[in-house]
Amino acid sequence: AQSVTQLDSQVPVFEEAPVELRCNYSSSVSVYLFWYVQYPNQGLQLLLKYLSGSTLVKGINGFEAEFNKSQTSFHLRKPSVHISDTAEYFCAVRGSGGSNYKLTFGKGTLLTVNP
Amino acid sequence: DTGVSQDPRHKITKRGQNVTFRCDPISEHNRLYWYRQTLGQGPEFLTYFQNEAQLEKSRLLSDRFSAERPKGSFSTLEIQRTEQGDSAMYLCASGVPGSPLHFGNGTRLTVT
Repeated sequence: AQSVTQLDSQVPVFEEAPVELRCNYSSSVSVYLFWYVQYPNQGLQLLLKYLSGSTLVKGINGFEAEFNKSQTSFHLRKPSVHISDTAEYFCAVRGSGGSNYKLTFGKGTLLTVNP
Repeated sequence: DTGVSQDPRHKITKRGQNVTFRCDPISEHNRLYWYRQTLGQGPEFLTYFQNEAQLEKSRLLSDRFSAERPKGSFSTLEIQRTEQGDSAMYLCASGVPGSPLHFGNGTRLTVT
């Protein structure tokens, strides 16, 4: 079984500032990692994923994340945020083997970008 | 690719009533998942289908909940004798091996 901890429930930042949203995971097996974004009253949209290969993963909207196996982390970063990045961000994990692609999610981080 | 479609978007019901939600996955996706999301929480896994077979159910899925995917295409989630604690966003997702899950916009259930 896997679990995900998102260390910050809310992150307020000013427009054009850099941001980091933290995610740590726990698993007894190798994992795949994901970040999803959720805008109000909408479903989840995939931002980026780590399956294998380079530990630095680039996604949509200028976001990137780095997989750190020794620290069991997958923090999300953006060098300069926009007002439109205001949303809830979820980190998710699943085992890399098996046939059930069930995702386990963290509780989410609400990113609020202020002018 | 029209995405994952869920109907209705919102449902308000009185305690004790039955409700049914529908999910239409992306057409070639053989895997279909239901998740529940309560306020301030991440989505929690409820159940999973591969084609028409329901392969896993969470312990969150009490016997008042039932899900079907009769022809391996659309799926329905029914909640019988709704309780106020069932108020949540119900999310459907679909996928194929080797690709991430695609989520619908959800059905928000309010039990009064």
